[in-house]
Amino acid sequence: GEDVEQSLFLSVREGDSSVINCTYTDSSSTYLYWYKQEPGAGLQLLTYIFSNMDMKQDQRLTVLLNKKDKHLSLRIADTQTGDSAIYFCALNRGSTLGRLYFGRGTQLTVWP
Amino acid sequence: DVKVTQSSRYLVKRTGEKVFLECVQDMDHENMFWYRQDPGLGLRLIYFSYDVKMKEKGDIPEGYSVSREKKERFSLILESASTNQTSMYLCASTWAGGANEQFFGPGTRLTVL
Repeated sequence: GEDVEQSLFLSVREGDSSVINCTYTDSSSTYLYWYKQEPGAGLQLLTYIFSNMDMKQDQRLTVLLNKKDKHLSLRIADTQTGDSAIYFCALNRGSTLGRLYFGRGTQLTVWP
Repeated sequence: DVKVTQSSRYLVKRTGEKVFLECVQDMDHENMFWYRQDPGLGLRLIYFSYDVKMKEKGDIPEGYSVSREKKERFSLILESASTNQTSMYLCASTWAGGANEQFFGPGTRLTVL
């Protein structure tokens, strides 16, 4: 099975909040990340959270980490059409060589 | 700003050709990575390098090789391109230590005919 799981699709209306979820099996990660990919582009780091934190907020983005349930989420407040993209969850699983382990990505579609 | 550049955005090659994909980063990162991205499969790691001339296999190294002769440059080589290597190829780099956040290039969309 997958080590990092995400739903493949999410649709929301403009102005609503979006919540993208990620579950994982390995609890050794020291950092957990969210990346955004716009069509035809590379991945852009949105934010990351250290494993000893439960929450991190950065403007419209809120990351929640539940280590007990091995669950990571990204909440986007006041979602805009420009937020339409693929969002990837990633973990480092304690790697000392900088390797990351990615989910398959969630395609977020924002309807006007 | 960290900049990771890839030599081509789009590339079309014929089956059996030798293909070189180049990646350059300007932030003195120790670690560099090559991924391929296919619809529904997410990112899959092909190879990575943690130092000059050092390399490690990722999850799908078959059919690929890499070269890292200088710290800033990491090359992906398809010795004999095949149609199943048609894909988006993404390069990334990161510092050793710290949060290890990876910075990505814009990608190369390779089509093998």
